[in-house]
This record gives sequence, structure tokens and C-alpha cells, in this order.
Amino acid sequence: GQQVMQIPQYQHVQEGEDFTTYCNSSTTLSNIQWYKQRPGGHPVFLIQLVKSGEVKKQKRLTFQFGEAKKNSSLHITATQTTDVGTYFCAPRAGGSYIPTFGRGTSLIVHP
Amino acid sequence: EAGVAQSPRYKIIEKRQSVAFWCNPISGHATLYWYQQILGQGPKLLIQFQNNGVVDDSQLPKDRFSAERLKGVDSTLKIQPAKLEDSAVYLCASSLPRTGDTEAFFGQGTRLTVV
Repeated sequence: GQQVMQIPQYQHVQEGEDFTTYCNSSTTLSNIQWYKQRPGGHPVFLIQLVKSGEVKKQKRLTFQFGEAKKNSSLHITATQTTDVGTYFCAPRAGGSYIPTFGRGTSLIVHP
Repeated sequence: EAGVAQSPRYKIIEKRQSVAFWCNPISGHATLYWYQQILGQGPKLLIQFQNNGVVDDSQLPKDRFSAERLKGVDSTLKIQPAKLEDSAVYLCASSLPRTGDTEAFFGQGTRLTVV
């Protein structure tokens, strides 16, 4: 079955530093979604990547989908305290409509 | 646009008791999901409905968990009897038909504590 690893599990940064989380799959993916969950909150959709090598930007957030469609990353430039939360990748393997979530990366931003 | 509604927000029960959670998805969303999120982990899919039919329930512990989606709209998830390890947040989500891979909209969740 599909194995998804998300690293790191936790990341502490000083406000203004950059942050990156990685999502790696053992199988080729059809697409991948990213969600953010604030402490005590529920997951909120950020983006969906579909094409090999795709790069999408949302203000300070940059999302990439690997050329082999087996990995993805989320990069935040100049973190702010509002970026605090857990970032989950939710990859879908080819032919599967079952949305699975990674373990998530918890981002802690120190002011 | 109203979001996904869930109730109750919190529930505390003793082990071996039963409990039910309710979810009202976003109007027009044919796909409904129930997830279990244990503290410190990502959401784990329990069951996925397309209208009132089950798409996947492979990770639903069927000896104690059951779910239904009457008339393809509201859904209930039941646990009977509950175990200590069922303590978690139960999240309901909905999305447009799965023919397109669309985002899932999550409700606030029900935090269940089994003591």
C-alpha cells in the first residue's frame, strides 16, 4: 500500500526564518493536496498539485511537486507567528480516490 | 456559504458506553468523509460516502463503529461500545463529487474522551 512520510515532525524557527516541510511517497502519485491545521482547529485546504514538476505560490508559501510525482514540499519564506500550526500533505495514488494524510509537520514560530 | 456542521463539539463517556456524532455537510457536496484524529497524528480516514453509498470503509473498525448517511445528506457515526483508545477528535469533511479531485472542507470536529 501507499506509504507516506512527512518530515520533519516538528520545526522550531525564529520569526523571519524560512521553513520547509517534505512529503515523500513510496508510490507514484496522481496528485497531492496540502492542508494547514491551527492548534485546536480543523484542517484547512491550501493547495492541490497535479502536474509533474509543478510549482505554485501563495504569497510567502511555495509548493512543489517532484518530477517523478513521488514527493512534494512546502516552503514558507520569512515565517510569521500566524504561520504556526501543523501542515499536512494528503497524497492520492493513481487510480485511488482515498485521501490519506501524512503525520504532519508542526511549525512553531518564536517571536 | 455555510460550512460543515458537526455536533456535539465535546463528549466525555465511560468505556463500554455508546456515543453518536452527527455531521451536516456543505449543501451540494456529494462526498462525505469521517476521519479520526488522535492527538499528534494526521487524520485517518474511517469511511467515505458518495451520496448515500459507501466508497471505502476499509479502516473502519466494524465490530464497534458504524456510520450511515441517510438520503445522501446528513451522516452519523456511532461507536458501541467505546474503548479508551477511541479518544480522539472525529472530523467530518465534505467535497464535491470525486470525479474531480477537489478540496475537502472540514467541520470543527467532535472531541471524544473515553474514561
